[in-house]
Amino acid sequence: NAGVTQTPKFRILKIGQSMTLQCAQDMNHNYMYWYRQDPGMGLKLIYYSVGAGITDKGEVPNGYNVSRSTTEDFPLRLELAAPSQTSVYFCASIPTGRSGELFFGEGSRLTVL
Amino acid sequence: DQQVKQNSPSLSVQEGRISILNCDYTNSMFDYFLWYKKYPAEGPTFLISISSIKDKNEDGRFTVFLNKSAKHLSLHIVPSQPGDSAVYFCAASGGNTGKLIFGQGTTLQVKP
Repeated sequence: NAGVTQTPKFRILKIGQSMTLQCAQDMNHNYMYWYRQDPGMGLKLIYYSVGAGITDKGEVPNGYNVSRSTTEDFPLRLELAAPSQTSVYFCASIPTGRSGELFFGEGSRLTVL
Repeated sequence: DQQVKQNSPSLSVQEGRISILNCDYTNSMFDYFLWYKKYPAEGPTFLISISSIKDKNEDGRFTVFLNKSAKHLSLHIVPSQPGDSAVYFCAASGGNTGKLIFGQGTTLQVKP
């Protein structure tokens, strides 16, 4: 049981490039989330999903896209990377919306130069 | 519009003493509050939570207090240990989406 797995752990992008951060969970959780953490700013919600085929915007969705074709996977797509997207990205999941605490992955550190 | 605020960026305490971390919120619709602990290069891990129908929840050395009228919660760690040194995030949620709104975090240093 691996929990929430994120890949890659580290990535450097050039301005204007695109990439996808992968997130997979093996706990059969319906709800999944993407957060970003900037220094001194806490975690901000980018997008979330309450089940396969259903996604919605969080606090800071601009510059990102998501999809949820299966219960297990919730990839985050960055189009036209900008320096402002330099951050640490965390994926998380819970069984239902009233389950309480989120289970987080170890994070993906992205630098845009 | 910071709905959850942790106004102390850092806190330093001596081993064996009490650590008190504070958190304020503005949205009266929040009905569930959590504390997360985060070590460098790791994801946040759940520490303790409290529902809005309670004013105190205890788990070993960790106790969370909720003051709804003041929209304030606090985390008490007694006794503090060097292994408690980490960043602590307060978070709040309301409704059925499970979304958490996080504070900025407080870095706790426990000195031996």
